[in-house]
Amino acid sequence: ETGVTQTPRHLVMGMTNKKSLKCEQHLGHNAMYWYKQSAKKPLELMFVYSLEERVENNSVPSRFSPECPNSSHLFLHLHTLQPEDSALYLCASSPGLAGTDYNEQFFGPGTRLTVL
Amino acid sequence: AQSVTQLDSHVSVSEGTPVLLRCNYSSSYSPSLFWYVQHPNKGLQLLLKYTSAATLVKGINGFEAEFKKSETSFHLTKPSAHMSDAAEYFCVVSSGTYKYIFGTGTRLKVLA
Repeated sequence: ETGVTQTPRHLVMGMTNKKSLKCEQHLGHNAMYWYKQSAKKPLELMFVYSLEERVENNSVPSRFSPECPNSSHLFLHLHTLQPEDSALYLCASSPGLAGTDYNEQFFGPGTRLTVL
Repeated sequence: AQSVTQLDSHVSVSEGTPVLLRCNYSSSYSPSLFWYVQHPNKGLQLLLKYTSAATLVKGINGFEAEFKKSETSFHLTKPSAHMSDAAEYFCVVSSGTYKYIFGTGTRLKVLA
């Protein structure tokens, strides 16, 4: 499989549940990202990992917990979410090489999360 | 500081007519600029990118964009709209290895 994949594509969970979103990239990239996309709001960067090290954490509530076990996999662990956390969660990867010009991001299809 | 402004939140065109989606950026140095498209309930797909080579950049599906430093603009154009072009379009400026600033998006509607 090529590109960036995300599972599950759809997730419905209660506020007391614990679930995880998975992202996998098959591009040999060094950097991976989590974004939140809510209706009528700009894309929000949540976390950035480079070579499995977190390099960006944009004041995200602790009920979202990222994990990057290797440069190909990225997880977002969810617990005690709120209804306002319902959104499309997008994963992306990029070469992540400092000093290069071709640092475009490649996005997965997203996980549509609904919190009841 | 870097920023990007998409001047129109919604654009409607008739099928077969030209498309113009406007983007202005602010950057303290020569930026990398990108246009992405997002169809409903899908991820973002790269349309084209500017990385300090040719100022006129050609992308997929007949789209192109011109980098104009004097106007700090990177507008997206297509000579003839197709129904399948209906989607949301994002202009993005890269300010470093991991930093991407997204515009608020322009929703393109194509009328039959």
